[in-house]
Amino acid sequence: KQEVTQIPAALSVPEGENLVLNCSFTDSAIYNLQWFRQDPGKGLTSLLLIQSSQREQTSGRLNASLDKSSGRSTLYIAASQPGDSATYLCAVFGNFNKFYFGSGTKLNVKP
Amino acid sequence: GAVVSQHPSRVICKSGTSVKIECRSLDFQATTMFWYRQFPKQSLMLMATSNEGSKATYEQGVEKDKFLINHASLTLSTLTVTSAHPEDSSFYICSASGLAPDTQYFGPGTRLTVL
Repeated sequence: KQEVTQIPAALSVPEGENLVLNCSFTDSAIYNLQWFRQDPGKGLTSLLLIQSSQREQTSGRLNASLDKSSGRSTLYIAASQPGDSATYLCAVFGNFNKFYFGSGTKLNVKP
Repeated sequence: GAVVSQHPSRVICKSGTSVKIECRSLDFQATTMFWYRQFPKQSLMLMATSNEGSKATYEQGVEKDKFLINHASLTLSTLTVTSAHPEDSSFYICSASGLAPDTQYFGPGTRLTVL
């Protein structure tokens, strides 16, 4: 069974720092990996989607990488801002046409 | 982009009552809809997958008689929590996809509190 782990569970940084969120998964047979943002009590916003054949995707200050063979992905956030404070979820889409989610990294960017 | 809505956004009910949550795709036809449950500080767990016009497929450990799912049209799916108990209190999120199941659009979620 696919298991997705995110480290760290929580992160607090001062504004302006660059930071890295980590995601690992146990089964490398995936179709894609997505990073989502979830604000408290809200639904999910898709940030980046990396197909299994891709190595990375970029959107603005966000860059996500994928190493499928080692079962790892990272989300890099450049020049963090207080508005980036949220929970970031990693999810892999794999067997049986299902998403498998990590438990998230709760990010707090202090002004 | 595609928009998915949920109603209600928040519901509080007494133990033993049934609660219905609606999930609508507003600007596209959703071939498949998914229902997830999220407990505090935990990940989203898939409960069931429903295709329009057919019975939902439930994940292992999810009671199909307790969580009734109906997907009667290409824009609407409903989740009914029957005889709700406090342990059913959770955040329920739906998602919808068109032809490609790996592209899902998520609703804003419904916070259920059972007293």
